[in-house]
Amino acid sequence: KAGVTQTPRYLIKTRGQQVTLSCSPISGHRSVSWYQQTPGQGLQFLFEYFSETQRNKGNFPGRFSGRQFSNSRSEMNVSTLELGDSALYLCASSLEGEWTEAFFGQGTRLTVV
Amino acid sequence: ELKVEQNPLFLSMQEGKNYTIYCNYSTTSDRLYWYRQDPGKSLESLFVLLSNGAVKQEGRLMASLDTKARLSTLHITAAVHDLSATYFCAPPGGGADGLTFGKGTHLIIQP
Repeated sequence: KAGVTQTPRYLIKTRGQQVTLSCSPISGHRSVSWYQQTPGQGLQFLFEYFSETQRNKGNFPGRFSGRQFSNSRSEMNVSTLELGDSALYLCASSLEGEWTEAFFGQGTRLTVV
Repeated sequence: ELKVEQNPLFLSMQEGKNYTIYCNYSTTSDRLYWYRQDPGKSLESLFVLLSNGAVKQEGRLMASLDTKARLSTLHITAAVHDLSATYFCAPPGGGADGLTFGKGTHLIIQP
């Protein structure tokens, strides 16, 4: 059974640019969540999507957005990148219920220069 | 807002020893998850604790949950080097909290 797949694995972007990250959940999983991991702030919740709808949202500015497609794949977008957005972005998939066991992808390492 | 506190944040121990990692959280949650992260890697699900009094064991690791005390423990028995990693506890806070992670316990097990 394939796990959660995130692409790309590594990205280098310049301040002010925008970036789109992709996540394919485990087959049959309909919930996708996104987390940001930094050395200073640790793991922080960005948002969760279920059935193409944002079901929960963390406390991040509007520059961070996401969406989910009918096949449960999800993308997150960060606009007007700042140096502080450099982080490991992790996607997790779950079956259906809110906050059931989450399985994480390998992450996308974003570096903003 | 749910707060999660793990203790200790850093632990260096010798092989063969026992130790316990503690996870306290600030508001009611009926479940809690433990994850392991190796350097440069993603999070691996270790335990799913779904009710008060739940106890799960896998090899040298045992996790428990006391929802009344808002406390979960991860006990390591006769530690081996392969268990060196960072361990996170995560109760779901819901809403804007999402799955709320502790800062992690960085565990180093020395031969």
